[in-house]
Amino acid sequence: RKEVEQDPGPFNVPEGATVAFNCTYSNSASQSFFWYRQDCRKEPKLLMSVYSSGNEDGRFTAQLNRASQYISLLIRDSKLSDSATYLCAVNPHLTFGKGTMLLVSP
Amino acid sequence: DAGITQSPRHKVTETGTPVTLRCHQTENHRYMYWYRQDPGHGLRLIHYSYGVKDTDKGEVSDGYSVSRSKTEDFLLTLESATSSQTSVYFCAIGSQGIASGANVLTFGAGSRLTVL
Repeated sequence: RKEVEQDPGPFNVPEGATVAFNCTYSNSASQSFFWYRQDCRKEPKLLMSVYSSGNEDGRFTAQLNRASQYISLLIRDSKLSDSATYLCAVNPHLTFGKGTMLLVSP
Repeated sequence: DAGITQSPRHKVTETGTPVTLRCHQTENHRYMYWYRQDPGHGLRLIHYSYGVKDTDKGEVSDGYSVSRSKTEDFLLTLESATSSQTSVYFCAIGSQGIASGANVLTFGAGSRLTVL
């Protein structure tokens, strides 16, 4: 099993839809988790950290499931501008997944 | 945005030539990182630094060396470039260590290297 795995997608959704991505990790000792967003031919940028209790930032909700070793990102009311690749990152050693591509269409 | 710049942004070189990529930060962060990003592999850590003259290897360090003589500069050198090193290279900075729960990274804009 790879350290950090993501479904590469693409996830094609219409504007206004709700979409969720998962990211599984293999190291049960991992303590911190992050979601980054990467636009085409740009650098990754932090979207949000993932806390044990789950956290929300506007339309974005991140959750952690330690028992099944995955984190999730939920995007509500998708916007065209949400189209990007979403990378998860897991400590230790801040290992990144390969990313999930989201395409939001009008 | 954090002050982090990479140079050059684009470079085309030939197999066997040395290449140095520079990362410069104005945030005074202790930790600096070099990643490469390739289709099908995602972001992979090459080397990182936890202080001036303090560096360590990452997942894909073979063929690369780094140096950090000042807090603000982290250099990545390909001693003899190969076609397999064609990639996009990202520098990142962080205020916490790589295993820290607060290790949020800020990335530079990337350096696109093509080795012919």
